[in-house]
Amino acid sequence: DTEVTQTPKHLVMGMTNKKSLKCEQHMGHRAMYWYKQKAKKPPELMFVYSYEKLSINESVPSRFSPECPNSSLLNLHLHALQPEDSALYLCASSQDRRGGETQYFGPGTRLLVL
Amino acid sequence: GQSLEQPSEVTAVEGAIVQINCTYQTSGFYGLSWYQQHDGGAPTFLSYNALDGLEETGRFSSFLSRSDSYGYLLLQELQMKDSASYFCVLGGSQGNLIFGKGTKLSVKP
Repeated sequence: DTEVTQTPKHLVMGMTNKKSLKCEQHMGHRAMYWYKQKAKKPPELMFVYSYEKLSINESVPSRFSPECPNSSLLNLHLHALQPEDSALYLCASSQDRRGGETQYFGPGTRLLVL
Repeated sequence: GQSLEQPSEVTAVEGAIVQINCTYQTSGFYGLSWYQQHDGGAPTFLSYNALDGLEETGRFSSFLSRSDSYGYLLLQELQMKDSASYFCVLGGSQGNLIFGKGTKLSVKP
């Protein structure tokens, strides 16, 4: 099983809402990632978790709050987002947080902030 | 900092061979990867070069020259389904990936 799943597939939220994105993998990977991708742009790294601990935060605004409840799950809590936060949010996982490890991406959550 | 340059668009015909070049600037990296992304889809891994030279995986090959800060992805026997965006990606020591801006490949019949 080389699948990373993400829910929901689509999400529309207002600027005052609180919502969460979920990501799950059952490959036994110990590193998990959140990326943000705007239309016609490359994915941009937001957070890296290694062994359930946050190891990289790429200066992401605090309105995005990641959480790793266990080695298979990764959440991204959203609060007070702005319209410019509308994007595709991709989750990925890899065997370990080593350079060169192949990352497996989920299908993404397409987020629209109104 | 780190940066990658690759052509924004490439067009080729079915059955042809196409090469997508990538040049980069970095103070250090583990290797160069290539990811494919279809419109509306997720990036999927294609190939990885940790060392200089050529790596072949089916119809796809990738090359790296660290001394020239250069790599390329070679796609042979192009098929319509190869129409997608292709990203060259630097692998950082922290497991982070730095994506180039992507090359949109259009395969024509």
